[in-house]
Amino acid sequence: AQSVSQHNHHVILSEAASLELGCNYSYGGTVNLFWYVQYPGQHLQLLLKYFSGDPLVKGIKGFEAEFIKSKFSFNLRKPSVQWSDTAEYFCAVKNTGGFKTIFGAGTRLFVKA
Amino acid sequence: GAGVSQSPSNKVTEKGKDVELRCDPISGHTALYWYRQSLGQGLEFLIYFQGNSAPDKSGLPSDRFSAERTGGSVSTLTIQRTQQEDSAVYLCASSLLQGGDSPLHFGNGTRLTVT
Repeated sequence: AQSVSQHNHHVILSEAASLELGCNYSYGGTVNLFWYVQYPGQHLQLLLKYFSGDPLVKGIKGFEAEFIKSKFSFNLRKPSVQWSDTAEYFCAVKNTGGFKTIFGAGTRLFVKA
Repeated sequence: GAGVSQSPSNKVTEKGKDVELRCDPISGHTALYWYRQSLGQGLEFLIYFQGNSAPDKSGLPSDRFSAERTGGSVSTLTIQRTQQEDSAVYLCASSLLQGGDSPLHFGNGTRLTVT
């Protein structure tokens, strides 16, 4: 069965620090990969997605993620975080052509001003 | 345009009572999903509807849980004889297509508390 593992449940950073959130998935086939974000008091929304092509994908607000197929990983990165990046981040995977999107447990990021 | 709408936003109920949670997806979205978000557990898939096809109910945790989608639009998730472990945020999402380049659009969720 598919599963998604996020390495950190809570991360605290100061503004301007670099961010990397780990995500590993287990699935033997071709996958689509996502990062969703939930800002305080708001609904979950898409941050970025990988379907095919360039394994380095860029999303909104300066976020990017790299798909490393050999490592079954899709880590999220941002060179310099801002206070407004405080949110919960979810990694998700879906088998290509399928419908069931499986989510990780989420990582709560707190950025100190 | 309007996003995914869920009601009520909060629901407190006594153990043993039945509850109904409603989801109104984005107009034109054929796929509709229900997830459950418990503290520290991520999002747990419950059920999926696609057009007029039979729903995939593989994620429903027990036969106390059921869901309907009327007319290919509004969906209702029903929990019968609620238990305290049912307390969670229930999220509805819709997408334009089943597969392909179609991310999920989420509602704000219904926070269910069973006392």
